[in-house]
Parts: sequence; C-alpha cells; structure tokens
Amino acid sequence: DTEVTQTPKHLVMGMTNKKSLKCEQHMGHRAMYWYKQKAKKPPELMFVYSYEKLSINESVPSRFSPECPNSSLLNLHLHALQPEDSALYLCASSPRAGRDTGELFFGEGSRLTVL
Amino acid sequence: AQSVTQPDIHITVSEGASLELRCNYSYGATPYLFWYVQSPGQGLQLLLKYFSGDTLVQGIKGFEAEFKRSQSSFNLRKPSVHWSDAAEYFCAVGTGGSQGNLIFGKGTKLSVKP
Repeated sequence: DTEVTQTPKHLVMGMTNKKSLKCEQHMGHRAMYWYKQKAKKPPELMFVYSYEKLSINESVPSRFSPECPNSSLLNLHLHALQPEDSALYLCASSPRAGRDTGELFFGEGSRLTVL
Repeated sequence: AQSVTQPDIHITVSEGASLELRCNYSYGATPYLFWYVQSPGQGLQLLLKYFSGDTLVQGIKGFEAEFKRSQSSFNLRKPSVHWSDAAEYFCAVGTGGSQGNLIFGKGTKLSVKP
C-alpha cells in the first residue's frame, strides 16, 4: 500500500476548466514532487518542493500552478490546459530535502484527460 | 552527462522462467541505484535500491539486483517469473545532489506467457 495518496484518480476536463490535483503524505517527508508521465515513457520531473518552498521548476508552462500548503500536502492547480497535457500525474515524496539519495515514494497517480 | 540506459524495450518470458533486465548508467561518482516497477495505470513502486556495501541487493517480490562498477551496470534478476510480474520496469540513478535529481531509464516492458 502506498503512503502517498493522490486524488482524484481520474479527471476529465475541458480546455477552459479549472481543476486541482491533490497529494498527501504522512511519512514526515520534507520534499515533495510532481511528475508528468506520458504513455510508454518514464516520468518527467515538473516541480520540487523542499521544506514547503518551491525549489525546482523544470520550465513548466504557467497553466500548471503548484502549491504546498503544508509539509504533508501538495496541490497542482490546472487552468487552460491543452489536449497534449493529458497524462498520468504522479506525486512523490522523499525523506530529506538536501543531499538526497533520490529515493522517492510515489503515489498511484492521477490520470488526466483534457478534451 | 549522467544517463541511464535500458537496452531492452520489451521482453517476453514464460511463466516460471528466469528473468534478467539490463541497466547501464553513466555517472562519474558512485551512484545511488534504484529499480521501480509500474503496473498499467499505477504509480511506481520501489523494488530495490543500492547505496553502498554488498553489491548484491535483495528486493521485494523475489527480485534481486547486482551492482557491477566495472561494467557500470545494475541488472535486475528473478529466478522464476510469475504472471503478476508483467509490468513496466524502470532503472533509475540518484546522483545525491539537489532534490529531484533522479534520472530514469526509458523502461523495459515485461510480458509473461502462460
């Protein structure tokens, strides 16, 4: 059982909609991540939060807006998305923010379809 | 540049047969090495990891992997495959730097024949 919980598991939205993906972990981890994964591809890093502050933004379009309200929660706000943004969005966490081994704990993902 | 290569895009094995998935990495220092498994439509589950010490590491679900520095490899093995092992397998390298510095290979899809 994963200890990183993502909601919703499936989301269908139109290009003019505003929606949010949510992620929660209760392992006391201090770094949280958003990844995007297209079919038959490895995950691609989007954002990293370290101690609730955005530390990495991998040149992600502004229609994706991350938010970290506290150390256990991570949101991804979606607005004016394009059909090519349809993908599996994975949240992950890691124990330490700093010199990290890279070990990540992933959620089950949110499958997003943009019509 | 740091990179991870999984030479096999798709492998099919018979149930009960042995399995080896290949992974080669390019990194100057001793890397942190991982194998993740992903069932269709699911997240990634950590199978095993290597940080230091014994180069043969045991993981969950009967998997093991061996770190060979001379070959820059970290191949995943299982002596007897079960139908439930059918999934996508990703090898990854953590470079111990800033957060999120986890480099994934392109993955190997495993199919299991009955």
